[in-house]
Amino acid sequence: NAGVTQTPKFRVLKTGQSMTLLCAQDMNHEYMYWYRQDPGMGLRLIHYSVGEGTTAKGEVPDGYNVSRLKKQNFLLGLESAAPSQTSVYFCASSYTETALFRGYTFGSGTRLTVV
Amino acid sequence: KNQVEQSPQSLIILEGKNCTLQCNYTVSPFSNLRWYKQDTGRGPVSLTIMTFSENTKSNGRYTATLDADTKQSSLHITASQLSDSASYICVVSAKTTGGFKTIFGAGTRLFVKA
Repeated sequence: NAGVTQTPKFRVLKTGQSMTLLCAQDMNHEYMYWYRQDPGMGLRLIHYSVGEGTTAKGEVPDGYNVSRLKKQNFLLGLESAAPSQTSVYFCASSYTETALFRGYTFGSGTRLTVV
Repeated sequence: KNQVEQSPQSLIILEGKNCTLQCNYTVSPFSNLRWYKQDTGRGPVSLTIMTFSENTKSNGRYTATLDADTKQSSLHITASQLSDSASYICVVSAKTTGGFKTIFGAGTRLFVKA
């Protein structure tokens, strides 16, 4: 049982380049989330999905786009990377919106540096 | 404003000692509070989840308490081990008219020394 898998684990981009981060979960979770983690700050929600084919904006959505064409996959795209997007990105999933039973299941993160 | 404040920012203790981490929140209306452990280079892993009616919840050597009246929670670690070195994150969720809003604290970085 792999849980939540993120690829790639590390990436360096030049300003203006684009990339896609992939998140895959094998737990049949309905809810999936993309967070970013910056030093000295709590995780901040970028976008989330409440089911296949749905997406919604979180707290810091600007500069990012997402897609959830399949239930098990949630993609995060950066169309034109900026140095302010240097961060560690975490994908998470949960059975329900409240995630009361087991909480969120997180991936191991993608460390992105934009130069 | 919904906020989650954790203290201390970092803590160094000797192996075998106990410690307590604090979490104060202003998130409203309160739904649940969770503590996560995040090892370096890894994603957070859930330790405990508490709803409004729960005052204490344990998970092995980890014991979380919740005082919903004062909006405070603590995580007590007993007989610390080197493997306890990690960041501990307090997460509070509120049930709003638009759904659930989840606020993450910045975490307490714990270092356990031999």
